[in-house]
Formats: sequence, structure tokens, C-alpha cells
Amino acid sequence: DAKTTQPPSMDCAEGRAANLPCNHSTISGNEYVYWYRQIHSQGPQYIIHGLKNNETNEMASLIITEDRKSSTLILPHATLRDTAVYYCIVRVNTGTASKLTFGTGTRLQVTL
Amino acid sequence: KAGVTQTPRYLIKTRGQQVTLSCSPISGHRSVSWYQQTPGQGLQFLFEYFSETQRNKGNFPGRFSGRQFSNSRSEMNVSTLELGDSALYLCASSLGAGGFDEQFFGPGTRLTVL
Repeated sequence: DAKTTQPPSMDCAEGRAANLPCNHSTISGNEYVYWYRQIHSQGPQYIIHGLKNNETNEMASLIITEDRKSSTLILPHATLRDTAVYYCIVRVNTGTASKLTFGTGTRLQVTL
Repeated sequence: KAGVTQTPRYLIKTRGQQVTLSCSPISGHRSVSWYQQTPGQGLQFLFEYFSETQRNKGNFPGRFSGRQFSNSRSEMNVSTLELGDSALYLCASSLGAGGFDEQFFGPGTRLTVL
């Protein structure tokens, strides 16, 4: 699975959009981009995933650049409950569904 | 639908002992994966079980083992505990069908080795 690079930490004011970047310059054509988050002392939670098109669900939007070498997770209206470590993961969608390779993630702090 | 449950939530052991952790997946899920989380190494994949068979394995020594029962419940065992085994052990379940398969994580078991 391709390696990802994320900033170690970011701050965001409550109510504003949080834009979390991820670099995955060595991504292969069959690798998807996944985002999980881990709120303190809880297990990770799936947020969204995509291959090359932008994706949106009730939690977030995922913007993937045309060359697929980077992506941005957008939380449109961040709340205090969005304070967490956000992990960007790239992996293929074949074979076993497990073996998520987590990096160090971005610690997002949402403030009043 | 109940989420993934893990027992016990907290555990304290001493070096050299062994420990067994339990994970009950979401009803209908056939795949159970285990992860270890430490401050130094982050989240690392241990192994995955599907239909009572180990389907994938991470890079951990043989002291770490697991099994899965016919009802999909899983246990992991760590023998001859070392101080470095102190960690949060997370279990995740998924349908196990392959392809995209959202993994649902449990709250974890926090193991402290003294």
C-alpha cells in the first residue's frame, strides 16, 4: 500500500470548514483513498473513501486531485465533537478487506 | 444493531504472564481484525480472521496469536508478556466480503504490563 503524508496537527474554529490535506504521490491506479478518524480513547471510525472522483456523504467531502497524488478531506461545518486524529490511508480494494495501514495522522483541534 | 464489543476493557498483567482478549463482532459480520496501538508505533495491524481461518497477518512475533469461533467471535492471545506489549488492542469487524468493506472498530482493551 502507498505511503501517505499528513500534517501532524491543525486547528479549526467551530462552524468553519476544516480542510485536511493528504499527500499520496506514489499511489497506484488501483488504490483507493480512505479516511478514518479516532476520537480520544475510542476505536477509529470510517469517514469516506474514493478512487478518483470527488465524494460526499453526510459526514464529509473528499476531493482528489486529477493526478491522484493528493487529496483533501473537508468537514464543512466543524464542531467540537470533530476534534480527533484523522488518518488518510491508501489501499487496494481487492482480496482481504482488512489490513488498514495507518500513518501518524493529523490531530485536528476544533476550538470555540 | 449492537456494535463491536471487547472484553475486558482494562487489564493489568506482569511480565512473563499470558493474556487472552475477546472480541464479539457485529451480528452478521464474518471478518475480525486485530490492531495494536502504542504511542511509539501508532496503529499496527496484527491479523485478520475470516470464517475461522487466519486470512492475513501483520509483522508481529509468534507470541501473538488468535483464533475465531464458528459464531465469528474472536480471541487473541499474547504469551510471555513483555513491557512493550502495553498497548490499546483494537478489534474491528466487517462483512468480510472483500473489496470495499467498512470496518467497525470496538472500544479496545487497554493492556498494561508491569
